[in-house]
Amino acid sequence: DSGVTQTPKHLITATGQRVTLRCSPRSGDLSVYWYQQSLDQGLQFLIQYYNGEERAKGNILERFSAQQFPDLHSELNLSSLELGDSALYFCASSVMGQGADTQYFGPGTRLTVL
Amino acid sequence: DQQVKQNSPSLSVQEGRISILNCDYTNSMFDYFLWYKKYPAEGPTFLISISSIKDKNEDGRFTVFLNKSAKHLSLHIVPSQPGDSAVYFCAATPYTGNQFYFGTGTSLTVIP
Repeated sequence: DSGVTQTPKHLITATGQRVTLRCSPRSGDLSVYWYQQSLDQGLQFLIQYYNGEERAKGNILERFSAQQFPDLHSELNLSSLELGDSALYFCASSVMGQGADTQYFGPGTRLTVL
Repeated sequence: DQQVKQNSPSLSVQEGRISILNCDYTNSMFDYFLWYKKYPAEGPTFLISISSIKDKNEDGRFTVFLNKSAKHLSLHIVPSQPGDSAVYFCAATPYTGNQFYFGTGTSLTVIP
């Protein structure tokens, strides 16, 4: 158990809908990262927050947004969903958010868009 | 542009033998490298890391080697056990950066 929690574990929805994925980092970690893993693909970095502020952006679509709240939990919002958005979404957390700082991953949310 | 590459999608090894997983990178700014292990339906689990000031780091059965001139790292598992069967991802980041770059993973199967 990494100490990172993600909810829900599974999510099934229809095209055009909007969903919110939630992540609680490990105790003491200030940084949260979001990744997408599509079938047979590696982990694609989406976005990073550090202590409530956006720190880095990767391959995140404009239809996706995220935020980190004062209690450090984070939410990833996916809107106008398309079939291609079906994937595993992982959240990771780390202490410093940069450099030689190990990221610890949650169990993921499997999103299925029908 | 894939800055971290794992060119072998899969690897099969007999129990008790050595498993060698390889990873190549293109960005000379990368300073810190990690290996993660992932079981189905679970998140990646941190395994071992190495800083660019070292060329080897050992933790039990797991050893990571770094060849900076070749921009290559490898993970050795000795002896391999059936419980090691999983997908292994390598990742890299610069000390001054905050984004991890992951490879596409190598699926290791250890045959009893």
